[in-house]
Amino acid sequence: GAVVSQHPSRVICKSGTSVKIECRSLDFQATTMFWYRQFPKQSLMLMATSNEGSKATYEQGVEKDKFLINHASLTLSTLTVTSAHPEDSSFYICSARVRATLTQYFGPGTRLLVL
Amino acid sequence: GENVEQHPSTLSVQEGDSAVIKCTYSDSASNYFPWYKQELGKGPQLIIDIRSNVGEKKDQRIAVTLNKTAKHFSLHITETQPEDSAVYFCAASGILTGGGNKLTFGTGTQLKVEL
Repeated sequence: GAVVSQHPSRVICKSGTSVKIECRSLDFQATTMFWYRQFPKQSLMLMATSNEGSKATYEQGVEKDKFLINHASLTLSTLTVTSAHPEDSSFYICSARVRATLTQYFGPGTRLLVL
Repeated sequence: GENVEQHPSTLSVQEGDSAVIKCTYSDSASNYFPWYKQELGKGPQLIIDIRSNVGEKKDQRIAVTLNKTAKHFSLHITETQPEDSAVYFCAASGILTGGGNKLTFGTGTQLKVEL
């Protein structure tokens, strides 16, 4: 149980294009999902908290117009990197919190490379 | 906000020995402390967690201890095996004003179990 999937696992795109990453909780409902970014050999940095049916809460320094988050259902949240640039290249990881608990399960991550 | 420090940054042990990773946190309101294992190119995997009303928790070869007074918690791995080699992250979480919670991660420990 408690499986979180992400799609795609890796993506290469040209500078200026937009990329959508999906995060799904496969066997549980997640009212809250989280989006993290991780640079090589560094820790996870929280980008935003996504609550089902409401607007996402972004961490300080994260541009909400650049990283669009939609949490349309209890099992799906999407992150869209708009007008991607090489500096957006990173490992993006989502997590989903089990309803009524503090436990977060992470997806396998999405490797984004912007050329 | 919460600040989590983690030591050591790298740890090499011989197979069969024990490994200990320590974390300290700053916010006395934090009440949930998970540990994650991350293998190269993958998302973090929850291995054990502890809540603030418990001082110790054990799951086979893995144990976590919590000292609320000193605001530190530790991960103990006994009888280490080569497959334990990975990056381990500690995290702390508290209830946010207005609801919800988020994890603040430590900087990670690269554990290498040598044959």
